[in-house]
Amino acid sequence: EEQLVESGGGLVKPGGSLRLSCAASGFTFNNYTMNWVRQAPGKGLEWVSSITDSGTFTYYADSVKGRSTISRDNAKNSLYLQMSSLRAADTAVYYCATVPDFWSGYMSTWGQGTLVTVSS
Amino acid sequence: SYELTQPLSVSVALGQTASITCGRNNIGSKNVHWYQQKPGQAPVLVIYRDSNRPSGIPERFSGSNSGNTATLTISRAQAGDEADYYCQVWDSSTDVFGGGTKLTVL
Repeated sequence: EEQLVESGGGLVKPGGSLRLSCAASGFTFNNYTMNWVRQAPGKGLEWVSSITDSGTFTYYADSVKGRSTISRDNAKNSLYLQMSSLRAADTAVYYCATVPDFWSGYMSTWGQGTLVTVSS
Repeated sequence: SYELTQPLSVSVALGQTASITCGRNNIGSKNVHWYQQKPGQAPVLVIYRDSNRPSGIPERFSGSNSGNTATLTISRAQAGDEADYYCQVWDSSTDVFGGGTKLTVL
């Protein structure tokens, strides 16, 4: 069974940094593009970032570009999101998701999410 | 920027058919995907590439996409279908979600 487990969320002060992790199991991790998607409290889904299967190409939403870095370690079946200069607007549940087909972009498996709260 | 327009809410009587739309100019030329999200849970893919159902999704869920509107149709609506539904498109190296539609089953 495909499974994704996020970790690394928590309370951080404005201007601070955080590294989120996503541990994958039950499938061949290096065959999949991977995404981060977030959801602010009471709001809709917002795509954050994508990384291709080999890690060669990365993509970012304008809202996090320049402040975030997506990466992966295929040997460890793990996905990461390094976030810096955090703002209150970054407060959200962060989900990782698998993307079986890069060109169509649908997200087939999602983790349960990790909550990031940016507050002083 | 690429935006997808969904109605804020849709209501359907138990056992009837609900339609949730996702609008954008020429969306018919894109692959549209749909997700269901229940309170406190992660999203679940219910339709991909306009009209394909993942394994485990009931046949009551179907999708179409043409012109300026993509549509998620839920037939024989059940109480358990009450949730938020989001459409999504990957375009020009950017993922975009619609604002979400709350489906209420009466």
